[in-house]
Amino acid sequence: DTGVSQDPRHKITKRGQNVTFRCDPISEHNRLYWYRQTLGQGPEFLTYFQNEAQLEKSRLLSDRFSAERPKGSFSTLEIQRTEQGDSAMYLCASTLGGTRGNTIYFGEGSWLTVV
Amino acid sequence: QKEVEQNSGPLSVPEGAIASLNCTYSDRGSQSFFWYRQYSGKSPELIMFIYSNGDKEDGRFTAQLNKASQYVSLLIRDSQPSDSATYLCAVINTGKLIFGQGTTLQVKP
Repeated sequence: DTGVSQDPRHKITKRGQNVTFRCDPISEHNRLYWYRQTLGQGPEFLTYFQNEAQLEKSRLLSDRFSAERPKGSFSTLEIQRTEQGDSAMYLCASTLGGTRGNTIYFGEGSWLTVV
Repeated sequence: QKEVEQNSGPLSVPEGAIASLNCTYSDRGSQSFFWYRQYSGKSPELIMFIYSNGDKEDGRFTAQLNKASQYVSLLIRDSQPSDSATYLCAVINTGKLIFGQGTTLQVKP
C-alpha cells in the first residue's frame, strides 16, 4: 500500500452513463496525476495538478473527460457519456513538489468496464 | 517516433540468470528516469530511478543510464520466478511521467 487511495476499485457501467473516480493522494503531496492504461500498453498520461491548479491536460483527452482537485487534496476524474473504448484501468499517482528526487507513487487503480 | 520505446517481449530467462531490459527515449532534455514493475492486474510499483550517467545499484537491480546514446537499462541479477512481470520504463517530460509500453519478463524455474 503506497498511501494513494482510489475509489471505486471496480466499476461496470452501461454505455452512455457518467462515471466518477476519486483519488486521495498521500497527504503532504502537492502534485497529483491521472493516467489511463489498457491491456498491453503502458500508462497513458491524462492530466496533472499542482495543488488545485490543473497544469496540463493531454490533447488526446476528449471533452467528455474532466478532472478537478478543488482544495488541493483529493481529486475526481469524471467521464461523461461513457463509450466502450473508455474501458481501462484509471491510475492516480502523487508526489511531493518537483519530480526530480521525489518518488511518484501510484494508487491501486480503478478498473472501468463499459458494457 | 514514440517518446519512450521498449521491446514488448516477452523476454524469457532461466531462474538465476541475469535479465537485461532496455529502453530508449527521444527527448535529449530528459533528466530523470524510472523503472516500474507491474504484475498482471496490479498498478505499477517503483523499482528505482536514476538521474546521472552510469550505474546505480539497489540489491539485485542495477539501472544504467547513457544520456549520449539516450538509453536506460535495468539489469536483474539472480532472476527469480517472482520477478516475472511487466517492466515499465518512464522519463520525466515537462513535469509528468511518460511511459514506454513495457517489457514482459518471464523467469522460468
